[in-house]
Amino acid sequence: AQSVSQHNHHVILSEAASLELGCNYSYGGTVNLFWYVQYPGQHLQLLLKYFSGDPLVKGIKGFEAEFIKSKFSFNLRKPSVQWSDTAEYFCAVKNNAGNMLTFGGGTRLMVKP
Amino acid sequence: KAGVTQTPRYLIKTRGQQVTLSCSPISGHRSVSWYQQTPGQGLQFLFEYFSETQRNKGNFPGRFSGRQFSNSRSEMNVSTLELGDSALYLCASSPGFAGGLDTQYFGPGTRLTVL
Repeated sequence: AQSVSQHNHHVILSEAASLELGCNYSYGGTVNLFWYVQYPGQHLQLLLKYFSGDPLVKGIKGFEAEFIKSKFSFNLRKPSVQWSDTAEYFCAVKNNAGNMLTFGGGTRLMVKP
Repeated sequence: KAGVTQTPRYLIKTRGQQVTLSCSPISGHRSVSWYQQTPGQGLQFLFEYFSETQRNKGNFPGRFSGRQFSNSRSEMNVSTLELGDSALYLCASSPGFAGGLDTQYFGPGTRLTVL
């Protein structure tokens, strides 16, 4: 069975600080990786995804993530956060067998103006 | 394109009752998945339907069931409700591409409260 760990449950940053949220997964086969964001009162939105190819993927709103296969990691980064990035961030993984997403526990990010 | 829609948005039921939730996927999407989101357990996969057939199933009791219609709309049913079923139920749709190259887009959810 696959599992996903997000080690940071709560992160507080000031505006313009750099962000890195950790995500590690356990699964021996080929995986597809995703980061979703849930802004307060809104539904889950896709930030970025990795299927294959360049391990550095860029998403919306200046976010990027790097897939490091040897470390089973897919960390999310943003060079300079804004107050509007305050949200909960979820890392998710699925294999090629279907559409079952396994989510991490989420990281609540608060950005102070 | 319109996004994933879910109805109703809020629901209050009592223990022992049953409930049906509805999901309309993005136009052209053939796969619909359901997830349960709770503060304690996070986001957990319930099941996926593709072309009116259940393709994947999570570890939930048989009280949780679903179906998909020929227009790809899906319903989820929970029978004999328990207090622990209180949660946000999310529906996600995707095109249904083969080989895992599929991306799911989520609806706003139905907030179910069981009293």
